[in-house]
Amino acid sequence: AQTVTQSQPEMSVQEAETVTLSCTYDTSESNYYLFWYKQPPSRQMILVIRQEAYKQQNATENRFSVNFQKAAKSFSLKISDSQLGDTAMYFCAFMNANAGNMLTFGGGTRLMVKP
Amino acid sequence: GAVVSQHPSRVICKSGTSVKIECRSLDFQATTMFWYRQFPKQSLMLMATSNEGSKATYEQGVEKDKFLINHASLTLSTLTVTSAHPEDSSFYICSAKRLAPPDTQYFGPGTRLTVL
Repeated sequence: AQTVTQSQPEMSVQEAETVTLSCTYDTSESNYYLFWYKQPPSRQMILVIRQEAYKQQNATENRFSVNFQKAAKSFSLKISDSQLGDTAMYFCAFMNANAGNMLTFGGGTRLMVKP
Repeated sequence: GAVVSQHPSRVICKSGTSVKIECRSLDFQATTMFWYRQFPKQSLMLMATSNEGSKATYEQGVEKDKFLINHASLTLSTLTVTSAHPEDSSFYICSAKRLAPPDTQYFGPGTRLTVL
C-alpha cells in the first residue's frame, strides 16, 4: 500500500513571493504518477501539475514547478510569484499506474497568500 | 476540455430517504469514475471505483448496499445514498479518468449532503 505525507498542515506566503510545499511518499512500485491538486474555497479540485515517475525532468506549469527526487521519494511543489488566487488547500497524490489508477492523497496543506 | 459536472451541488434530505447524485463527464468519455467523501478540513477518502458496464469496486469499510453506484454509460455515473442518516452528511466528490492524457483524474465540483 502507498502512503503520502504532507508534513505542513498550514503555510503562508506574501503575495509575489515564492513558497514550497513538501510531499513525501512511500511505495515499492516503479511505474507511478504523482500529482498536485488545488482545492480553493469553492471546493472544486483542480489539477495543478502532473509528473510521471519515469521522467527525470521536473514538470512545470507556468508559475508552478515540482522538485521530484525519486530516490528520496520526495515531490515538492514550488509556487513562484504567489497570487491571492493561489490561496487554497493543496493535496499531493500518488497513482499506481498498474493498479486501477486510484489516487492516494496526502493530508493536505492549507496555503494562505497574504497581500 | 476535461470538464466534470455533478448534480445536485447541494441537497438536504430527511433521515431515512434516499438521495441520488449524478456525475457526468461533459467533453470526454470516462471508462472509470471514482467517488470520494471528504469530511471538513480533511483529505479525500476514496469510496469506490466505478467502471462502465460493470459492478463498482468498494473500498474497505464502505457499505455497498448503502452507497449504490451505477455507471451506465461512458459519461455518467450515479451514487445513491440509501436510507440516509445524519452520519452520512458529508461532501461527496466524483472524478473521471480520461484516456488522454492517460491516468489523470478530473474532478467534479462536489455535492454537499445534509441529512436531517
